[in-house]
Amino acid sequence: DAGITQSPRHKVTETGTPVTLRCHQTENHRYMYWYRQDPGHGLRLIHYSYGVKDTDKGEVSDGYSVSRSKTEDFLLTLESATSSQTSVYFCAISESGSGLNTEAFFGQGTRLTVV
Amino acid sequence: AQKVTQAQTEISVVEKEDVTLDCVYETRDTTYYLFWYKQPPSGELVFLIRRNSFDEQNEISGRYSWNFQKSTSSFNFTITASQVVDSAVYFCALTDTGRRALTFGSGTRLQVQP
Repeated sequence: DAGITQSPRHKVTETGTPVTLRCHQTENHRYMYWYRQDPGHGLRLIHYSYGVKDTDKGEVSDGYSVSRSKTEDFLLTLESATSSQTSVYFCAISESGSGLNTEAFFGQGTRLTVV
Repeated sequence: AQKVTQAQTEISVVEKEDVTLDCVYETRDTTYYLFWYKQPPSGELVFLIRRNSFDEQNEISGRYSWNFQKSTSSFNFTITASQVVDSAVYFCALTDTGRRALTFGSGTRLQVQP
């Protein structure tokens, strides 16, 4: 199994508070991603990173920021949590190599509830 | 923009039946990869298969088979002789050349009854 660890695995927070989710990898993969999973939507890309300090937005980036100061860590921050951000968050990694043929490996997920 | 459509929200079959999960995609890229992932009740995402846009050869792996047809932009997945352990949500996904990120369909929940 790919070495990806998400923390925390579960969190309940109050509306308006900041929350940071951490993704840690031991594979030295270049690409890292944050997705959220909601019923009826599958997984949607929030932000991604293609190297240290290189990040960009996905389709549902509003209200989220990310940072990647080391290859192995990719942090997702909810600046001021809202109930619409209640979701399951997945981190993924992939090694681009010379093409697109590398599958993404996913962490175990973080279940976040905003009350 | 890319799009993946899994029109079947939920399928229920009885054990040993064959079942096909449909996936239709849209992309402007000429080079792309298609994937199937499985999400069992425990919640993790398990990679099943990838197929590139230049390889329309269909594949069989044990009880699983995949039918890729570029002409209809479809990448369907068949489970032969289904088992209770196949019960899961199955996601079809597509990469893009820029971000190397996956665009997912909404998933098909498969329930295999004993």
